[in-house]
Amino acid sequence: EVQLVESGGGLVKPGGSLRLSCAASGFTFNNVWMTWVRQAPGKGLEWVARIKDKSDGGTTDYSASAKGRFTISRDDSKNTLYLQMDRLRTEDTAVYYCVTATIPGTTYAFDLWGQGTMVTVSS
Amino acid sequence: EVVLTQSPNTLSLSPGERATLSCRASQSVGSALAWYQQKPGQAPRLLLYDASNRATGIPVRFSGSGSGTDFTLTISSLEPGDSAVYYCQQRASWPFFGQGTRLEI
Repeated sequence: EVQLVESGGGLVKPGGSLRLSCAASGFTFNNVWMTWVRQAPGKGLEWVARIKDKSDGGTTDYSASAKGRFTISRDDSKNTLYLQMDRLRTEDTAVYYCVTATIPGTTYAFDLWGQGTMVTVSS
Repeated sequence: EVVLTQSPNTLSLSPGERATLSCRASQSVGSALAWYQQKPGQAPRLLLYDASNRATGIPVRFSGSGSGTDFTLTISSLEPGDSAVYYCQQRASWPFFGQGTRLEI
C-alpha cells in the first residue's frame, strides 16, 4: 500500500526539541522530493521544509520561520523522512504532515499525504 | 515570494448549484498551480494540478482553468459532501499555499 506514516509528535515545552519521522512505503522513496507541511489549529496550510532526492542534489529548503531551528533529512535506506525541530516556540503548535508528489513530471502537487502528527508547544 | 489570494473566503451554496472559486497570484506562476480539498479532521486531498489536470479518482465535476496569475476551480452540480476548505498552491516559492476558501453546502 502506498502510504506515509508520521510519528514523533507530542507535548514539548517552549525551547525544547522534537524529532518527527515519516515512514514511506509502496513507492520509490529515493526518487521523490519530500516535504513537511503544517497546519496550526483552525488555520491554513503552511509549507515548512523540503528535501530533494539525491539525483537532484538532495538539497534542502526551509520557510523563514523554520530556517535555523528545523532540520529536514532523509534516510533512503530506511525509506524514512525526518524533521528535527529545535528551539520550539508556541507558534509551532500544529499538525505536521509529511507529503510528496508521486505524479510523474511534477514535484509540487502533493498527491500523497500522511495522516499527520500533532505537535503541541506549551509550558 | 509569490502570494496566492483566494476568494471568496466563504461560499455558501445549495446542492446542484455550481461553485466558482478564485485564486490570484501576485506574479505569474505559469500553469503550475494545484488545488486541494480538506474536510474536517482529514488531510488535504489533491484535486487538480498544473491548473487543469485532475488527480487520480477525482470526479469530472471538479475542473480547473487559468494561467499566469488568475485561476479558477469550478465544481459543477454541488453535492453535500463537497463541503470543505479548498486551497490553491503554486510551485514557485514560499508561502506556496493560498489562505483557503470555505465552501458550505
